[in-house]
Parts: sequence; structure tokens; C-alpha cells
Amino acid sequence: LAKITQPISMDSYEGQEVNITCSHNNIATNDYITWYQQFPSQGPRFIIQGYKTKVTNEVASLFIPADRKSSTLSLPRVSLSDTAVYYCLGSQGGKLIFGQGTELSVKP
Amino acid sequence: DTGVSQNPRHKITKRGQNVTFRCDPISEHNRLYWYRQTLGQGPEFLTYFQNEAQLEKSRLLSDRFSAERPKGSFSTLEIQRTEQGDSAMYLCASSWPEAGTDTQYFGPGTRLTVL
Repeated sequence: LAKITQPISMDSYEGQEVNITCSHNNIATNDYITWYQQFPSQGPRFIIQGYKTKVTNEVASLFIPADRKSSTLSLPRVSLSDTAVYYCLGSQGGKLIFGQGTELSVKP
Repeated sequence: DTGVSQNPRHKITKRGQNVTFRCDPISEHNRLYWYRQTLGQGPEFLTYFQNEAQLEKSRLLSDRFSAERPKGSFSTLEIQRTEQGDSAMYLCASSWPEAGTDTQYFGPGTRLTVL
């Protein structure tokens, strides 16, 4: 079972790029790395998923080095509405294992 | 695609009562998951179905909890003899596993308050 470590909280300002790094030293060979965003009183929302190298979509980029022991979620030019909790996840036979996540606070 | 829906969105009940929640997954998703989330914590896995078969149950799912997915579409989660410790957000997710990935899409959750 992958042990996942990510910062508990981060602060940023509007318009900045935010990078959240997650450590997963013993992630399983078959596991994808997945990031979710969650606002208060809502279900988690899928952001991005990758296996290795770099993945980009309209919302974010995900960088995964060759050893896959860490990954970095990059949010370009954040706005106030990006204030949320961000979860880095591994999976085990389908079920998702959530940690406490990173609480991102974007300030004006 | 209407997304995953859950009903009710909020439920307040007295200790000892039974409650039932419903989840409607994204159509044609064959996997359905239930999670529970308490304040300040990430969601915790409870159980999941592939079609109508319940394939895994967490140790968190005591014998007061039961989940069903009778026709492989919607699912219900019932809690009998509720306790105050059952107060939480109950989340449902669905997926269609393919090519080694199993991206799960979550519903808005049902918030349970046990008085």
C-alpha cells in the first residue's frame, strides 16, 4: 500500500503558478497517480491522472519523474476559486486511498 | 451525461433510527463505490460493486451497514440503529475501468447528522 505524503497547507496569490508535490515512495507498479480537488460540502472532483512523465489538460499539468516516487501537480495562474483541498492518490485494486490532502488558500 | 447523483443531500435523524441513501451512477459505469468522509479528513473507502456484485467491503463497514446494487445500476446504503459516530458525509463514485485506469467520478454526497 503506497504511503502518500503531501503538504498540509499552502498559500498563494491570484495569478501565480502553484506546484504541489506529493511523495509516494512505494507506489505499486500498476498504480496510476491521480489528483482530486474538493470544495467544502462537495464531492471530490477529478483533476488529472498520469503514470509517468508529463500529462497536461485544460486545468492542470502533472509531472512524474522516471522513478515514480513523487509527483507534482501544477496549477497555472490560480484564481480565488482554486481555493480548495487537493488530494494526491494511489489506488489499491480500484479503491482510492485518500490522505488528508493539501489545503490551498489563494489570496487576492 | 448527468453525472453521479445522490439523494437525499442532507439527512438529520435521531440515534437508533435507520436511514437509507441512494446513489445513481453515471449511466453505463459498471463500478460503483461508497466512501465516508468526516470533517477535516479525506474520504475513506467503504465498499464497491462491479455491476450487481459487491466485491469488497472495508472493515469500517460494521454489520449495521448494508449496501446493495440489485440491478447493477443505482445503489442504496442503509445504516441501521444509527449512532452519533455515524455522522459524516457519505460519498458515492462510479467508474468504467479501462486500460489499467479506473477514474472515479464522485457525486455531491449525502450529509448525515445523527442527534
